[in-house]
Amino acid sequence: DAKTTQPNSMESNEEEPVHLPCNHSTISGTDYIHWYRQLPSQGPEYVIHGLTSNVNNRMASLAIAEDRKSSTLILHRATLRDAAVYYCILPAGNTGKLIFGQGTTLQVKP
Amino acid sequence: DSGVTQTPKHLITATGQRVTLRCSPRSGDLSVYWYQQSLDQGLQFLIHYYNGEERAKGNILERFSAQQFPDLHSELNLSSLELGDSALYFCASSVSHRGNSPLHFGNGTRLTVT
Repeated sequence: DAKTTQPNSMESNEEEPVHLPCNHSTISGTDYIHWYRQLPSQGPEYVIHGLTSNVNNRMASLAIAEDRKSSTLILHRATLRDAAVYYCILPAGNTGKLIFGQGTTLQVKP
Repeated sequence: DSGVTQTPKHLITATGQRVTLRCSPRSGDLSVYWYQQSLDQGLQFLIHYYNGEERAKGNILERFSAQQFPDLHSELNLSSLELGDSALYFCASSVSHRGNSPLHFGNGTRLTVT
């Protein structure tokens, strides 16, 4: 199963953009890249996912490198409510199950 | 609201007992995944069902079992409970089983074993 590497923690100022990096050098051609976040005392929340092209939704943007060995989650204007643990995950095996790592803890300063 | 419903929200029970956690997936979703999150621990994958059939097993103890019913709801059964089983248990659902669609998580069941 392909693994991902993320920084343990990042800080951002409120209302500024945040770029959360993820490396996945062993990704296979059919692996989708998924991003989730978990706020304290809540279940994980789907953020965005993509295969090859950059993706946008109301929550964030996902920029995928041309060789697909890395990706970046972009929060365009961080708010205090965006403080959470962000997980970059590749589905394991052929069942779509997600194996969560440690993720990146994002702190947002007012 | 993810559309995934988990009951009960809280459960307090004693060691040695058995409990059943229930999950109703989003309408139209055929896959159900179960995860365990102990205090200050990461999310551990337990088991995956797709359209009633078991598709993958993770770090699930033999004392734990699960099933997915014809109406697609799922139950996670935990028996001979130990103090270490105290945790948050999350259920997630997805429309497919191939990793090309997102997982939507419920709010979890908090199990406390005393």
